[in-house]
Amino acid sequence: DGGITQSPKYLFRKEGQNVTLSCEQNLNHDAMYWYRQDPGQGLRLIYYSQIVNDFQKGDIAEGYSVSREKKESFPLTVTSAQKNPTAFYLCASSTFLAGSYNEQFFGPGTRLTVL
Amino acid sequence: GEDVEQSLFLSVREGDSSVINCTYTDSSSTYLYWYKQEPGAGLQLLTYIFSNMDMKQDQRLTVLLNKKDKHLSLRIADTQTGDSAIYFCARGSQGNLIFGKGTKLSVKP
Repeated sequence: DGGITQSPKYLFRKEGQNVTLSCEQNLNHDAMYWYRQDPGQGLRLIYYSQIVNDFQKGDIAEGYSVSREKKESFPLTVTSAQKNPTAFYLCASSTFLAGSYNEQFFGPGTRLTVL
Repeated sequence: GEDVEQSLFLSVREGDSSVINCTYTDSSSTYLYWYKQEPGAGLQLLTYIFSNMDMKQDQRLTVLLNKKDKHLSLRIADTQTGDSAIYFCARGSQGNLIFGKGTKLSVKP
């Protein structure tokens, strides 16, 4: 079964701690994305990567970091510099063809709560 | 204003049609998309439309595109309680997607 997985589903962290959210895909997609979702705010792009070993900041990258060492994996670290990290985090992947059909496939999400 | 705009809430009765509207500012997108999100889950693609089309029908779903007015709509015929979810409109941009804030559809029995 091809798909995209995120773990864990629920994550709790204390203020001042860094935490890493996992995202893995076996769809052979070049591009991967991280979004943050808050109630009534829709999806806001944190980081995206169009190819291995390269990634770009999205609209709200401050306080977050990513790596893309493997095509299948795109972990997101929420650092202590992120002032309001409690949110629902969604990872997605797609083939990357600018100007063409670009369906993004989403994982089930990780709900992060800062205590 | 926002790049992609949607009203936040829509309430309908079971069996009625639902129409979810979306407007956007940048008409350069080749494709426009509708995604569905059920509570606590990720997004799933419902349907999409190529920018040179006016309409696309897929079973109970009808997408209408008015390029002149930069207006996209999703009609769900015979709405069921299982259609209760958040619906996102999105447009393609440089290989990425730009999403609206989502419309929460509530279906009353």
